[in-house]
Amino acid sequence: QKEVEQNSGPLSVPEGAIASLNCTYSDRGSQSFFWYRQYSGKSPELIMFIYSNGDKEDGRFTAQLNKASQYVSLLIRDSQPSDSATYLCAVGAGSYQLTFGKGTKLSVIP
Amino acid sequence: GAVVSQHPSRVICKSGTSVKIECRSLDFQATTMFWYRQFPKKSLMLMATSNEGSKATYEQGVEKDKFLINHASLTLSTLTVTSAHPEDSSFYICSAREGRINYGYTFGSGTRLTVV
Repeated sequence: QKEVEQNSGPLSVPEGAIASLNCTYSDRGSQSFFWYRQYSGKSPELIMFIYSNGDKEDGRFTAQLNKASQYVSLLIRDSQPSDSATYLCAVGAGSYQLTFGKGTKLSVIP
Repeated sequence: GAVVSQHPSRVICKSGTSVKIECRSLDFQATTMFWYRQFPKKSLMLMATSNEGSKATYEQGVEKDKFLINHASLTLSTLTVTSAHPEDSSFYICSAREGRINYGYTFGSGTRLTVV
């Protein structure tokens, strides 16, 4: 059974700090990796995706993938209170279905 | 980018009645749509996978006779909660996949169902 694991948190960081969110997955055949952000009472929105080992940067967000370790992370630089949300890691393995983690709740303290 | 429209955003119904939720892909064709349920402060729970022109595939523990899914076209999937009860009150979210899995899913805005 494919599993995606995330620390549920809450992860609290001060405003302006770097928030580091981690995710591990069980299926070695996984090919695509996504980070979604979900505000309370809202549906998830895609913020980053990564397919290859290494880092991918988009503004204040950096996704990091290490397939050998089956590990994907999301770094948020200069964290803002508006970044406070639950972050979902999702993994795809060439099928039609993504497997989601349970999410990590991030709280950025002003 | 891909847009998924979900309606209604909020509905209150009486116990015993049925509620239909619509999910439309606005600018792409979605052969597969997914229905999720989320209780307050809990994680997303996949209920079923909706395939255009065929029967939906339900996750273990989800009653197919209670949660009727119809995916009659490449742009529309509906979820009907039949004979709703207060325990069915939840946040229901649909999502659709545009093209290959590498593009991820696009989520609808969700439907807050309250059964009184």
